[in-house]
Amino acid sequence: NAGVTQTPKFQVLKTGQSMTLQCAQDMNHEYMSWYRQDPGMGLRLIHYSVGAGITDQGEVPNGYNVSRSTTEDFPLRLLSAAPSQTSVYFCASSYVRTGGSYGYTFGSGTRLTVV
Amino acid sequence: GDSVTQMEGPVTLSEEAFLTINCTYTATGYPSLFWYVQYPGEGLQLLLKATKADDKGSNKGFEATYRKETTSFHLEKGSVQVSDSAVYFCALMDTGRRALTFGSGTRLQVQP
Repeated sequence: NAGVTQTPKFQVLKTGQSMTLQCAQDMNHEYMSWYRQDPGMGLRLIHYSVGAGITDQGEVPNGYNVSRSTTEDFPLRLLSAAPSQTSVYFCASSYVRTGGSYGYTFGSGTRLTVV
Repeated sequence: GDSVTQMEGPVTLSEEAFLTINCTYTATGYPSLFWYVQYPGEGLQLLLKATKADDKGSNKGFEATYRKETTSFHLEKGSVQVSDSAVYFCALMDTGRRALTFGSGTRLQVQP
């Protein structure tokens, strides 16, 4: 079982470049989400999805786009990279059960540096 | 909006000491509550969870009880080990938005 797979693990971008962080899960989970982790600030929600074709914004969506064309994949696009987007990015997925019992599984993260 | 507040770290303990990491939350509905752990250089792992008031989550000797009256979900362990050194995150998921809201994390350092 691969779980949640994120690629790449490390990336350096120049200011203004664009790129896509990939996220794939093989657990048939309905929910997927993207977070960024910055020192002293915990994890902040960027975008999330409750199913294929459905996405919504989180706390810090500016500068990022997402789409969910399949259940398995949830890529995060940086449109024009800025130094403020230097962070560690985590993708996560979760199943749904009656009664509110959720289980979020996280990927191993992508460390992005924008210079 | 929803929010989670954790005690600031780092928390430094000797091996076999008792651990408490405080967590309080604000939410409009009836959230599910979680503790996640992050070991150095790794992603987040679910440590334990509770989905309704008075539920107790437990795993690997760690426990937390969902206290609706005090809006708290404090993490406890009776005897910590060096291998417990990590960053611990308290989080909630409300009944509307199916994504997690995290606290800022508490770094635990256990010395031999």
